[in-house]
Amino acid sequence: NAGVTQTPKFQVLKTGQSMTLQCAQDMNHNSMYWYRQDPGMGLRLIYYSASEGTTDKGEVPNGYNVSRLNKREFSLRLESAAPSQTSVYFCASSDPPHGTHFGNGTRLTVT
Amino acid sequence: DQQVKQNSPSLSVQEGRISILNCDYTNSMFDYFLWYKKYPAEGPTFLISISSIKDKNEDGRFTVFLNKSAKHLSLHIVPSQPGDSAVYFCAVYNQGGKLIFGQGTELSVKP
Repeated sequence: NAGVTQTPKFQVLKTGQSMTLQCAQDMNHNSMYWYRQDPGMGLRLIYYSASEGTTDKGEVPNGYNVSRLNKREFSLRLESAAPSQTSVYFCASSDPPHGTHFGNGTRLTVT
Repeated sequence: DQQVKQNSPSLSVQEGRISILNCDYTNSMFDYFLWYKKYPAEGPTFLISISSIKDKNEDGRFTVFLNKSAKHLSLHIVPSQPGDSAVYFCAVYNQGGKLIFGQGTELSVKP
C-alpha cells in the first residue's frame, strides 16, 4: 500500500530549465494537491484538483502548470525555473473533509 | 491575506507537561479543521480533526478545541513526550474544498 508517491526526491535545475514533478496515489481519492514548503511560510497551496479533469489555482500558482491525467496522477510542471522556485514540494490526496495523505516531498534547487 | 494563522513559530515544553498549540482563522464559514504533524524530511501526517458542529474532539493524548466565536482552535497534547517533537500545522478546508495551512509551530519536548 504505497499511498502517495512522488518523484523525483531531489532535483537541481539551472534557471530557465523545465521539469515535471510526478505524483500518483492509490487510495482512489478524488482530490489532489500540490504544495510548496518554505521556511517560515508553512505549506502554501500551488494547485488543486477536485476530480479528474478539473484543476484550480491555489495561493501561489504563478510559474507552475498542472495536469490531472487521470484519477491517480497529478503532475506539476515548471516551464522556466527560477531561483524563487527553490523549495520542497509536496503532493497530497484526500476525500474531503477527511485527512489528507502526503508524499515524502521533492527537494528542488534552482541555481 | 493569511486565512489561517499560527502566531507562535516555536514552543518548548518539558516532558510530561501539557503542550498547547494555537491557531486562528479569518473566515467564519470554514467548517472543518485539521491538525498535521511533520518530521524533518517527511511529508505531513494527519493527526486529528474537528467539525464546526463540535467544540472538542479527543484522541488519546491529543485533544482539539474549537472556539467558533473567537475563530480560534487549539491542540492540546497531554502528557507531552520527546517523540512529539515536530512541526505542527493547523489546516482548514475552505468552501471550494481547498485545504489551506497555517505557517506551523515547531514543538520541542525536552526530557
